[in-house]
Amino acid sequence: DAKTTQPPSMDCAEGRAANLPCNHSTISGNEYVYWYRQIHSQGPQYIIHGLKNNETNEMASLIITEDRKSSTLILPHATLRDTAVYYCIVRVVGGGADGLTFGKGTHLIIQP
Amino acid sequence: DAGVIQSPRHEVTEMGQEVTLRCKPISGHDYLFWYRQTMMRGLELLIYFNNNVPIDDSGMPEDRFSAKMPNASFSTLKIQPSEPRDSAVYFCASSPPGGAFNEQFFGPGTRLTVL
Repeated sequence: DAKTTQPPSMDCAEGRAANLPCNHSTISGNEYVYWYRQIHSQGPQYIIHGLKNNETNEMASLIITEDRKSSTLILPHATLRDTAVYYCIVRVVGGGADGLTFGKGTHLIIQP
Repeated sequence: DAGVIQSPRHEVTEMGQEVTLRCKPISGHDYLFWYRQTMMRGLELLIYFNNNVPIDDSGMPEDRFSAKMPNASFSTLKIQPSEPRDSAVYFCASSPPGGAFNEQFFGPGTRLTVL
């Protein structure tokens, strides 16, 4: 799986959009970008994934650059409950599931 | 809907004792994963099953660790004998059939402390 680089921490004001960057310059053509988050003392939670098109669901939007070497997770209206560690993971899809490789992630702190 | 259920939520034991962690995956899911999280090493995959069969156990740290899945609704992770360095939070996760897109649903974890 391709390696990812994320800032260790970020702050965002409550009610504003939180934009979390991820670099994955060695991503292969058949690798997807996944985002998970882990709120303190809880298990990780799936947020969103994408291949090359931008994706949106009820939790967040995922913007992937045209060359696919980086992406941004956007939480449109951050709340205090969005304070968590956010993990960007890239991996091949297909042939069944297998384990996720978590890096250190970005600790997002939402300020009141 | 019930999510992934893990028990116990907290376990404190003494070095040398046997520890058994339990997991009930989401009904209908056919993939089950065991992860361990420590401050030093972060989240690590230990083992995963598909249709109750172990697929990859390369993350199991040593022979003291064993995992079983006797049926589709139950799995155990056993440590025998336990050591202080096994202290960690152990997460179980499950994934729906096909699993191609690998959305994994995690349980609340078991916090293990070995004294």
